[in-house]
Amino acid sequence: KAGVTQTPRYLIKTRGQQVTLSCSPISGHRSVSWYQQTPGQGLQFLFEYFSETQRNKGNFPGRFSGRQFSNSRSEMNVSTLELGDSALYLCASSNLAGNTGELFFGEGSRLTVL
Amino acid sequence: AQSVSQHNHHVILSEAASLELGCNYSYGGTVNLFWYVQYPGQHLQLLLKYFSGDPLVKGIKGFEAEFIKSKFSFNLRKPSVQWSDTAEYFCAVNARSGGYQKVTFGIGTKLQVIP
Repeated sequence: KAGVTQTPRYLIKTRGQQVTLSCSPISGHRSVSWYQQTPGQGLQFLFEYFSETQRNKGNFPGRFSGRQFSNSRSEMNVSTLELGDSALYLCASSNLAGNTGELFFGEGSRLTVL
Repeated sequence: AQSVSQHNHHVILSEAASLELGCNYSYGGTVNLFWYVQYPGQHLQLLLKYFSGDPLVKGIKGFEAEFIKSKFSFNLRKPSVQWSDTAEYFCAVNARSGGYQKVTFGIGTKLQVIP
């Protein structure tokens, strides 16, 4: 069974640009969550999607957005990039069996903003 | 809002020393609790989990954790660490509320084991 796949793995952008990150969940998993990981801040929750609907959102500005497609694949977009957006962006999928919250993570997309 | 506190941000131990990493959460309802580990250069993976039942749970690689409801704690332990345990450890809580899911993570603890 393939794991969670995130693309691209690494990218470099400049301030003011926008970026789109992609996540393919484990087959059969319908919930996709996104997290921002930075040193000293740990994992900050961005949002969670289920069946193409955003069900939960963290405390990030509107520049951060996402969506989920009918095949459960998800994308997140960050517009008007700032230096502070440099981070590892993690995607995690879950099958919600029993609503336990167990997450399966991808390797992440490391974004550097110059 | 739920929150998770990890008390030790950076721990350095010698091989064979015992380990205990503290984790406290704030949420008054039913929770599921997790410890995740991130080895250098690898993705986050589940170490152990508590859903219900026996509050002492055992995970992979000899790790265990004890859920103490009255203290809102879920501390991670290992009797004897190895160099290969060098990693970053994250405590996480999923506060169950219908079908909605939001797993909140602690800030993480970097464990360095010295041979």
